[in-house]
Formats: sequence, structure tokens, C-alpha cells
Amino acid sequence: LAKTTQPISMDSYEGQEVNITCSHNNIATNDYITWYQQFPSQGPRFIIQGYKTKVTNEVASLFIPADRKSSTLSLPRVSLSDTAVYYCLVGDVNNAGNMLTFGGGTRLMVKP
Amino acid sequence: DAGITQSPRHKVTETGTPVTLRCHQTENHRYMYWYRQDPGHGLRLIHYSYGVKDTDKGEVSDGYSVSRSKTEDFLLTLESATSSQTSVYFCAITGEYNEQFFGPGTRLTVL
Repeated sequence: LAKTTQPISMDSYEGQEVNITCSHNNIATNDYITWYQQFPSQGPRFIIQGYKTKVTNEVASLFIPADRKSSTLSLPRVSLSDTAVYYCLVGDVNNAGNMLTFGGGTRLMVKP
Repeated sequence: DAGITQSPRHKVTETGTPVTLRCHQTENHRYMYWYRQDPGHGLRLIHYSYGVKDTDKGEVSDGYSVSRSKTEDFLLTLESATSSQTSVYFCAITGEYNEQFFGPGTRLTVL
């Protein structure tokens, strides 16, 4: 399973766009990139998933360059409620038996 | 919320006692997982199941056993609880695109 590297923490202000980058140099051909959000005392929540180029949903955008060795989660116009830990994972979505390894994640603090 | 519940939500027990945590899902998902989360760590996989009576170990399976006698229930058992097993335990299922959906968690304290 490809290992991922993310910044430990980031600070932002309300209304700003936040970009969190994840490095995954050993990503395999069949691997997808998935991002989760976790609030204190709750389980992680699925945000977005992608394979290449750009994916957008109502919550976030995911940018993946052609070499797929990194990805960027973009949160538009963050609010205080976006303060959470964000995890980047890579794995084969066609193999649910993959053991999914959550690293330490990125702790995002949104300030007023 | 993918119809996942965990019970109990909180438990305090003593070292050496057996403990069973239950994960229940209502949407007939095939794959179910048990994770633990400790301060300063991400989630670590304990065991997972890919069907009734089909289970396999994760990266931190020592001291834990699991059972799945029916699709909707996945049980995690600590045969003899130790203080190192004090943690928050999360159950998860896999969605249509193998994204995971997590339960609300069980906070276990072993004294």
C-alpha cells in the first residue's frame, strides 16, 4: 500500500481557500486517492475520491497531476466548522480487502 | 450515516476481563472493519471481514479476535483486556466505490 505524506498542521482564516497537499510517490497503477475528514470524537467522513486530473463535488475539489505522485485537496471558502483533521489515503478501490493505512493526517485550524 | 451503529458507546472495565464490542449495519454491506485510534496516531486496522465467517487480521490484531455470524453484525472481542487497549474503537463498512463509512466509535477504558 502506497505510503502518504501530509503536512502535520495548517492554519487558515474564514473565507479563504485551503489547499492540502499529499505526497504518494509509490502509488500503483490501480490505486485511487481518497480524502477523509475527522472531527473530534467522531469517525472519519469520506470527502472525495479520484484517479487523475480533477474531481469536484459539493464539498471539495481534488487535483491530481499527470504523474499521480501527489494530490491536492482544495476546500473553497472555509468556515470555522471546517476545523478538523484531514487524511489522504491511496489504495485499489477494486479491492476492498486492501488494508487501509491512515497516517497522522493534517490538522486544519480555521480562525475567525 | 450508512446505517452503522456501535455498542456500547462508552465502557470502563478492569484489566483481565473480557470485553466485546458490537458493530451493526443495516445495508447489507459485505466488508466490515475494526480500527482503533489513539492520541497522536491515525486509525490502525485491527481486523476486517469480507463476508459471513470470513475474517482476516490487520496491522494491530494481537490481543483481539472477531466474529461475524451474520452479515449485519461484526463483533470485536478482547479476551483479556489490558491497559494498552484503552482506545477509541471505530467500525467501518465499504461503500460502492470502496470508500469507507465509519460508525460513531466506542470509547473503551481499561483500568
